[in-house]
Amino acid sequence: EPEVTQTPSHQVTQMGQEVILRCVPISNHLYFYWYRQILGQKVEFLVSFYNNEISEKSEIFDDQFSVERPDGSNFTLKIRSTKLEDSAMYFCASTTRPGTQYFGPGTRLTVL
Amino acid sequence: AQTVTQSQPEMSVQEAETVTLSCTYDTSESDYYLFWYKQPPSRQMILVIRQEAYKQQNATENRFSVNFQKAAKSFSLKISDSQLGDAAMYFCALGGGTSYGKLTFGQGTILTVHP
Repeated sequence: EPEVTQTPSHQVTQMGQEVILRCVPISNHLYFYWYRQILGQKVEFLVSFYNNEISEKSEIFDDQFSVERPDGSNFTLKIRSTKLEDSAMYFCASTTRPGTQYFGPGTRLTVL
Repeated sequence: AQTVTQSQPEMSVQEAETVTLSCTYDTSESDYYLFWYKQPPSRQMILVIRQEAYKQQNATENRFSVNFQKAAKSFSLKISDSQLGDAAMYFCALGGGTSYGKLTFGQGTILTVHP
């Protein structure tokens, strides 16, 4: 069964460094999403991406964040200058149309 | 704005018994979806069950069923014949059908299953 994959599973970085989190959505899916979950808290929406552009973003998704679909398979989330409060689990999700989203296993980001 | 509220931070159940997790929501959308996701210690998000708002019939998936009360904006999850593997964090989520489908999650309920 097709699944969403994410790499790396765990990323440790120093405050102020740039990180890129990678996702490979399910191949025939058209809508892509990033969510984050700070430890012990609920899952929060960051951004949705459709037709090669951002379709919606939350207030969390400020100028430090960007997303890209550089080729036909990858979907990336970049954080330009990481802060301590960016430490969280980051989930990628995809779907064929708005409705059920299929989540990847997550990337745990630790900012030191 | 869409909101989802799970008022039970923790629940526990004996193995083989039944437990119900509560969820209430608010949305101005007329077309929306509701979901329950399970998050085990691995933190993977696993879809348990989904309900389309336009469907009056409550969704069921094996031991999992929902009680969808649209007028009351309530969406509870019933787990029958609970198993040790059901122990996890459970999140209720709301997706708007007319938007690009972002999900709004509740705070989660930690379910403990006692042998």
